[in-house]
Amino acid sequence: DGGITQSPKYLFRKEGQNVTLSCEQNLNHDAMYWYRQDPGQGLRLIYYSQIVNDFQKGDIAEGYSVSREKKESFPLTVTSAQKNPTAFYLCASSTGRTSETQYFGPGTRLLVL
Amino acid sequence: GQNIDQPTEMTATEGAIVQINCTYQTSGFNGLFWYQQHAGEAPTFLSYNVLDGLEEKGRFSSFLSRSKGYSYLLLKELQMKDSASYLCAVGAGNNRKLIWGLGTSLAVNP
Repeated sequence: DGGITQSPKYLFRKEGQNVTLSCEQNLNHDAMYWYRQDPGQGLRLIYYSQIVNDFQKGDIAEGYSVSREKKESFPLTVTSAQKNPTAFYLCASSTGRTSETQYFGPGTRLLVL
Repeated sequence: GQNIDQPTEMTATEGAIVQINCTYQTSGFNGLFWYQQHAGEAPTFLSYNVLDGLEEKGRFSSFLSRSKGYSYLLLKELQMKDSASYLCAVGAGNNRKLIWGLGTSLAVNP
């Protein structure tokens, strides 16, 4: 079955620690996205990538980093510079054509210890 | 600026019909999306409108008026499982980014 997987489902971060969230898709989609969702604030775009080896900052990129070395994979690192990382993180992908439908993975909930 | 407005909360009764409105102001328009999101889960795609008019898909329909910057999602024969947040999103500009509304939380009561 084609789809998007994210792991882990829950992740705990200690103060000063970097953590990496995994996102993999086997839909052969060119574009991938990372969103953060906080209660009452809707979806906010962190980073997006339209093609392998290229990515752009979204609206709230500070404290985050990404890589896109393979078409299938778009990992997100939450660095220690991100002071309020507790949130629900969602990865999505699309074919890459303008305004093509985005499909979401199940999400990772990050909590700070 | 770019903005999407939708009601924060709505309630309806099982078996009834409910209409969730979305108004938008964006620079450019490449289509409007509706997603459903159950509590604690990821959004799932419901519908896409790029031309004016009504798109029907089973119990769900979506309408678009580009001249008015307005869309609605119509849910018929409401079921308890329809209790969820409904997100309106607009594609604008030359990139693949979507502008998201804050979502409408729908509670379906027996």
